[in-house]
Amino acid sequence: GIQVEQSPPDLILQEGANSTLRCNFSDSVNNLQWFHQNPWGQLINLFYIPSGTKQNGRLSATTVATERYSLLYISSSQTTDSGVYFCAVARDSWGKLQFGAGTQVVVTP
Amino acid sequence: DSGVTQTPKHLITATGQRVTLRCSPRSGDLSVYWYQQSLDQGLQFLIQYYNGEERAKGNILERFSAQQFPDLHSELNLSSLELGDSALYFCASSVQGAPNYGYTFGSGTRLTVV
Repeated sequence: GIQVEQSPPDLILQEGANSTLRCNFSDSVNNLQWFHQNPWGQLINLFYIPSGTKQNGRLSATTVATERYSLLYISSSQTTDSGVYFCAVARDSWGKLQFGAGTQVVVTP
Repeated sequence: DSGVTQTPKHLITATGQRVTLRCSPRSGDLSVYWYQQSLDQGLQFLIQYYNGEERAKGNILERFSAQQFPDLHSELNLSSLELGDSALYFCASSVQGAPNYGYTFGSGTRLTVV
């Protein structure tokens, strides 16, 4: 299967700071998604981004498919951004997702 | 509310027992996926259904089975439960053929086997 590596594994930020999370994958994909798992366990879809750049408020993501990586940017972080951020990929646009191990983000006041 | 409904939210049961987890996908979504999240294994894909048919299988144990019904809801059956089956079980749904939309996850069922 496709290997998905996320870095860093842990990140501690002060409120207002910016950060970049990285996702590397081992093979060509037609489906890449970023999720946020909040402290209550809910998995929220942030982006569907197999290629290109998207922005949603303080979050943005860029996927460079030819180089097999994706970046998630968090700007002006807030305590509500705390949680685990997962990158997940699939060969098919609607196939089974392979998840990375996640990046645990803690935003302190 | 994500639109994907999972019941029950919590389940505590004894080893050797059998349980059924239920998932109602978001309206209009034909694909349903089941995932298991445990501390040591992370998020693992179990099985996918599309419009009632099994489409893909992952690391699903033989003690586990699933199906998708004509009304598109899905059930995951876990039998002969072991302590190691304790985990958070997620269901997700998607619109096949609409690649600009991501998958929507339900809030999960937390299974504790004692």
